[in-house]
Amino acid sequence: SQKIEQNSEALNIQEGKTATLTCNYTNYSPAYLQWYRQDPGRGPVFLLLIRENEKEKRKERLKVTFDTTLKQSLFHITASQPADSATYLCALEGGGADGLTFGKGTHLIIQP
Amino acid sequence: GAVVSQHPSWVICKSGTSVKIECRSLDFQATTMFWYRQFPKQSLMLMATSNEGSKATYEQGVEKDKFLINHASLTLSTLTVTSAHPEDSSFYICSARPPDSEAFFGQGTRLTVV
Repeated sequence: SQKIEQNSEALNIQEGKTATLTCNYTNYSPAYLQWYRQDPGRGPVFLLLIRENEKEKRKERLKVTFDTTLKQSLFHITASQPADSATYLCALEGGGADGLTFGKGTHLIIQP
Repeated sequence: GAVVSQHPSWVICKSGTSVKIECRSLDFQATTMFWYRQFPKQSLMLMATSNEGSKATYEQGVEKDKFLINHASLTLSTLTVTSAHPEDSSFYICSARPPDSEAFFGQGTRLTVV
């Protein structure tokens, strides 16, 4: 069955350092991979989308890589700030009108 | 950017009653909307796909008679939890996607059944 795993439930990073989150998937051939941020009691907020033919995508302090051979995506936040503390979700879709399949998320804590 | 609005943000109801949750796309038309459910410390799980003008498509294990979905217009989908029980208590989130764009999510509805 299709499975998405995010490497850890929680990650503590010191302010200013780079936070790296991992998303691995199996039994899946996604056309896109997306990363979302979710704050407590709120719906997810879209951050970045990367297509299967793209290796890397950047947006301000965020960078996402996508390795379809390894079936893995890495999500980086550089110069991390306490305001970056949230749960980050990896999501996959196969294209078309299907809904997204989410990983459990990684709770990122940036310590001052 | 596109906005999806969900209402109410939280609701408490008695066991056995029904609760309706609304999801609106505010600045785009959505022929398809999605309903998710999230239990504490769990991932969002797709419950059903709401299709404007036709029946919703439910994911395996989701009872269609319990979770009634109506998508009567291009900007509104509703999810009604019928005969709610404490195990239905969860965080319900809707989503819609403008053409050639990423998905946008509502604020979520925290349902507590007592």
